[in-house]
Amino acid sequence: KAGVTQTPRYLIKTRGQQVTLSCSPISGHRSVSWYQQTPGQGLQFLFEYFSETQRNKGNFPGRFSGRQFSNSRSEMNVSTLELGDSALYLCASSLFRDTAVEQYFGPGTRLTVT
Amino acid sequence: DAKTTQPTSMDCAEGRAANLPCNHSTISGNEYVYWYRQIHSQGPQYIIHGLKNNETNEMASLIITEDRKSSTLILPHATLRDTAVYYCIVRVREYGNKLVFGAGTILRVKS
Repeated sequence: KAGVTQTPRYLIKTRGQQVTLSCSPISGHRSVSWYQQTPGQGLQFLFEYFSETQRNKGNFPGRFSGRQFSNSRSEMNVSTLELGDSALYLCASSLFRDTAVEQYFGPGTRLTVT
Repeated sequence: DAKTTQPTSMDCAEGRAANLPCNHSTISGNEYVYWYRQIHSQGPQYIIHGLKNNETNEMASLIITEDRKSSTLILPHATLRDTAVYYCIVRVREYGNKLVFGAGTILRVKS
């Protein structure tokens, strides 16, 4: 079974631009969560989508948004990029919204903002 | 709002068992303990999880104390490829699928 895939793997953008990242969950998984990882803040939760609805949101500004499609694939968007948005963006998928069910992470998208 | 405490770093000799401790003294009865690891710049890898009983899979064993206030992840025969940051996470039901990562333990396996 294929794992979680994220595209693109690497991205370089300029301050002020916007960016869209994509995540394809494991087949059959309906929940997708997004995380940001930076050296200073570690791994931080951005948001979670299940059945095309945002179910939970972390403490990030409104420039960070996401959506989920009917096939469970998810995208996240960051508008008006800032230098501090440079990070590894990770998505994770799981079958259900249940703490007894494990989540699996993708390889991440490395975003560099110049 | 992490509910776990882990040592900052640990060393282990190749071929020996690596025992990684985690304290979660405020854990509630329905909260699971999860372990993930992250090798440099890769996505976190799921290892194992448990509620009350000890668990074992092809990667590791998880020993949870009877009072559930602490647990130990055991890698039975550590290899150089097990060098990574190991995260112990308590899944809070109210958080849904949100995982709260702490700083984790840097495990260095040495030959």
